[in-house]
Amino acid sequence: DGGITQSPKYLFRKEGQNVTLSCEQNLNHDAMYWYRQDPGQGLRLIYYSQIVNDFQKGDIAEGYSVSREKKESFPLTVTSAQKNPTAFYLCASRLTANTGELFFGEGSRLTVL
Amino acid sequence: GNSVTQMEGPVTLSEEAFLTINCTYTATGYPSLFWYVQYPGEGLQLLLKATKADDKGSNKGFEATYRKETTSFHLEKGSVQVSDSAVYFCALSDNNAGNMLTFGGGTRLMVKP
Repeated sequence: DGGITQSPKYLFRKEGQNVTLSCEQNLNHDAMYWYRQDPGQGLRLIYYSQIVNDFQKGDIAEGYSVSREKKESFPLTVTSAQKNPTAFYLCASRLTANTGELFFGEGSRLTVL
Repeated sequence: GNSVTQMEGPVTLSEEAFLTINCTYTATGYPSLFWYVQYPGEGLQLLLKATKADDKGSNKGFEATYRKETTSFHLEKGSVQVSDSAVYFCALSDNNAGNMLTFGGGTRLMVKP
């Protein structure tokens, strides 16, 4: 079945460590997105990529990094510079940056101890 | 800039009660409007959408009408079930802003048997 796969589902890390969250899609979508979800705050855009080998900062990019070397993959690295990394992270994709429904993965919950 | 405002939750209802979740928006262009649903521990799924004024989106017994005059897109269901318990997000996509999605803060619905 086509869809978006995020891994791991749960991740625990010590303060000061970088962690990388995986996002893979087999929908042949050009555009991919990373959102952060905190209780009561809805979704905030971290980074997005409209096409392979290109990406742009969203509203809260500080302390995060991404790459888009392959169309199907858009990993997110949460660096030690991110002051409050404990959150639920959602990856999404759509056919192009301007068209199509937004499809979401099941999310990754990161807890920094 | 664009924004979406939803009523704060949680909304607690008994089974078979009538549901309304209010959503109002501010946008610079002519947005498309969406409702997404998030079941516990999962990503978001598109519930319904409307792309122009007076359109009504509907799915699984839920409905919402795009009201340009009141800049609203309230979600309604005539008879809720326990399985409808989830978090509901209102969102807009503005073609003047590259069709990026802006999400509301989410409203948690709890339906008791």
